[in-house]
Amino acid sequence: QKEVEQNSGPLSVPEGAIASLNCTYSDRGSQSFFWYRQYSGKSPELIMSIYSNGDKEDGRFTAQLNKASQYVSLLIRDSQPSDSATYLCAVRESSASKIIFGSGTRLSIRP
Amino acid sequence: EADIYQTPRYLVIGTGKKITLECSQTMGHDKMYWYQQDPGMELHLIHYSYGVNSTEKGDLSSESTVSRIRTEHFPLTLESARPSHTSQYLCASSDQESQETQYFGPGTRLLVL
Repeated sequence: QKEVEQNSGPLSVPEGAIASLNCTYSDRGSQSFFWYRQYSGKSPELIMSIYSNGDKEDGRFTAQLNKASQYVSLLIRDSQPSDSATYLCAVRESSASKIIFGSGTRLSIRP
Repeated sequence: EADIYQTPRYLVIGTGKKITLECSQTMGHDKMYWYQQDPGMELHLIHYSYGVNSTEKGDLSSESTVSRIRTEHFPLTLESARPSHTSQYLCASSDQESQETQYFGPGTRLLVL
């Protein structure tokens, strides 16, 4: 079982709708969680970080964390074609400083 | 904004050549990382460093080597390039103050003929 699991997609969402991206992790002691966006051929860029249970909002993006269920999600409201990218979930290991990346979910926003 | 740089951005080289990919950061981060990523595929950690004179191999076996003589500099070397080394190489850095948020450089695209 992979330590950080994501559905590889592609996830197709109509423009203006809400895109929901999900991630589960295996290390129950993990405390830090990150969402990165990666455009094709580019390097990952940080979108959101979340450290405590609940929701964290930043513009059109909302990160949700449920440590009991070992589940973290990213919601993108009012999806735009420019949101089409691969979204990487990353979790900081409890035992070390290393961050484990999921394999990413490809998101496609259709006009 | 992250201040992490990689050179060269693109490299085409023949089999058997020795190459060094450069990575430097001006944020004073103690931790640095090298990832290998093929197009459309996941990131694979190949090397990391938690500070000067500290280097570790990552999860993916790699024929490359790294060094960390200065905090800001983390070069990756391939002694003898092969076509199987063709990939994108991404460098990243982090520190405890930012909860280990990793900031990535722009990457080096390597093509070995």
